[in-house]
Amino acid sequence: GAVVSQHPSRVICKSGTSVKIECRSLDFQATTMFWYRQFPKKSLMLMATSNEGSKATYEQGVEKDKFLINHASLTLSTLTVTSAHPEDSSFYICSARDRRSSGANVLTFGAGSRLTVL
Amino acid sequence: GEDVEQSLFLSVREGDSSVINCTYTDSSSTYLYWYKQEPGAGLQLLTYIFSNMDMKQDQRLTVLLNKKDKHLSLRIADTQTGDSAIYFCAEGYQKVTFGIGTKLQVIP
Repeated sequence: GAVVSQHPSRVICKSGTSVKIECRSLDFQATTMFWYRQFPKKSLMLMATSNEGSKATYEQGVEKDKFLINHASLTLSTLTVTSAHPEDSSFYICSARDRRSSGANVLTFGAGSRLTVL
Repeated sequence: GEDVEQSLFLSVREGDSSVINCTYTDSSSTYLYWYKQEPGAGLQLLTYIFSNMDMKQDQRLTVLLNKKDKHLSLRIADTQTGDSAIYFCAEGYQKVTFGIGTKLQVIP
């Protein structure tokens, strides 16, 4: 089945530094990937849609200059949290569409990245 | 906008059936999904149902869709301790909206 690899799984950084999270589709091409943020006891919040070869589409309220998304190839999207602050600490999850033989467009998720900003 | 609601918590005894319920508001939903999230992990697709279906069965999992009431349920037969996780209901096609997740606790 489709596999999405996300790296790193855990990262701790100092306030003011930048952190890059990678999301790779391992056995399929993903023209579109999605980045979510999950708060404790909350649902997943869609941050942005990453489009291969073009600019990401950000959801309302998400700062595009703070959360930089690059989708340089059909198998890789990156999320960079710039000038991280403690309030950016969260669980970030990426997903990619995997076109099933049934025609359904289902989302395959990475394992997530736990970011802790000190 | 679209909204998906689920209860927060469900506790069942090992071997019993679990039923997790979900309601949604978008009547134009084409696909509805159930995802499972184990602690510290990403989401794993369990099953999905197309909106023109009212039931789908996959081994121990049964999904029931009542489109009139916009109600979706996931039944897990013979629940095992390994089924303990958070279960997310989701709907959508281009943009998927998730519920808050139901934490299933299986008591041995």
